[in-house]
Amino acid sequence: AQSVSQHNHHVILSEAASLELGCNYSYGGTVNLFWYVQYPGQHLQLLLKYFSGDPLVKGIKGFEAEFIKSKFSFNLRKPSVQWSDTAEYFCAVNAGTSYDKVIFGPGTSLSVIP
Amino acid sequence: KAGVTQTPRYLIKTRGQQVTLSCSPISGHRSVSWYQQTPGQGLQFLFEYFSETQRNKGNFPGRFSGRQFSNSRSEMNVSTLELGDSALYLCASSSLTGSTGELFFGEGSRLTVL
Repeated sequence: AQSVSQHNHHVILSEAASLELGCNYSYGGTVNLFWYVQYPGQHLQLLLKYFSGDPLVKGIKGFEAEFIKSKFSFNLRKPSVQWSDTAEYFCAVNAGTSYDKVIFGPGTSLSVIP
Repeated sequence: KAGVTQTPRYLIKTRGQQVTLSCSPISGHRSVSWYQQTPGQGLQFLFEYFSETQRNKGNFPGRFSGRQFSNSRSEMNVSTLELGDSALYLCASSSLTGSTGELFFGEGSRLTVL
């Protein structure tokens, strides 16, 4: 069965610091990978996704993620965080078929201090 | 385009009661997925419906059930409520299931079981 782990439960950063959130998944076949974000008081929304091709994908608001197949990882990065990036971040995966469910990790809460 | 609508937004029940939650997907979306969100556990997959058929199911007891109607609206039901069922229940719709469709989330139904 697929599973997703996220390295940090809660991360606290100062504005302008660099961000890297770790995500590992367990599944031996082709996967599709996602990062979703939940800002305070808002619904979950897609940040970026990887289906195939260039393993470095860029999303909204300056976020990017790198898929490293050999490490079963899909880490999220941003060179300089802003206070408005304070949110909960979820990594998600599903098997590379059209009909499989999307499994989410436990989430990482990011707090950015002005 | 209207987003995913979930009703009710908040509800309080007592142990042993049952509850029905409703989800109206984005117009044209035929896939509806349900998730249970609790602090520290992240999003746990409940089930996914596509064209009135349950296509995927998570590891929840039989007290959790769902259905989808011909207009793609979906309901989930929890019978014999337990204290541990207190959670935010999220519905997500997609134009296609799993890999090829981004999940669009509603704001959730927050259930408190006393």
